[in-house]
Amino acid sequence: NAGVTQTPKFQVLKTGQSMTLQCAQDMNHEYMSWYRQDPGMGLRLIHYSVGAGITDQGEVPNGYNVSRSTTEDFPLRLLSAAPSQTSVYFCASSFRPTSGNTIYFGEGSWLTVV
Amino acid sequence: SQQGEEDPQALSIQEGENATMNCSYKTSINNLQWYRQNSGRGLVHLILIRSNEREKHSGRLRVTLDTSKKSSSLLITASRAADTASYFCATAPYGGSQGNLIFGKGTKLSVKP
Repeated sequence: NAGVTQTPKFQVLKTGQSMTLQCAQDMNHEYMSWYRQDPGMGLRLIHYSVGAGITDQGEVPNGYNVSRSTTEDFPLRLLSAAPSQTSVYFCASSFRPTSGNTIYFGEGSWLTVV
Repeated sequence: SQQGEEDPQALSIQEGENATMNCSYKTSINNLQWYRQNSGRGLVHLILIRSNEREKHSGRLRVTLDTSKKSSSLLITASRAADTASYFCATAPYGGSQGNLIFGKGTKLSVKP
């Protein structure tokens, strides 16, 4: 099994550009999420989904959009990139994580906005 | 808002020593999980402890949970250089949504050979 796959691994954007971070999982997990990780800030939840067609905002949703048209895929869209969105982004999936199921993380996407 | 706060922020020990990391949280929880992150990699699940449990073991890992103090500790015994990583606690707040798993800022552990 591939687990959680996110692409691209590295990306440099200019301020104002848009892009999509792709995330796919092959474990038939209901729950998928996007986190960003900044130095000294830990992981902060951007958006999450508890199933196809259902998404919700996390702690830091501004500037990001998500959709969940299939169980497998959960892309994160940056609408108009800003330097404050320079970060490492992690996609994750699980069966119900708050019920104690393990969260599986992708390897991360390093995004720099100049 | 940060639910879990790890302490210390950084820890440096010699190989063979024990490493203890603490996590404090603010609200009642369903469970608490510990994750490990090697530099430049994603997080990997280590161990979970439920709110009705006080202690769990997994290999060289020992986790305790004190719900009255809203705190947990992760003990790594007989540490190895390969244990060098950042360790995060993640809490599932009681009554929270299924997506509401909150991570702390992490403890950076350095094990010197």
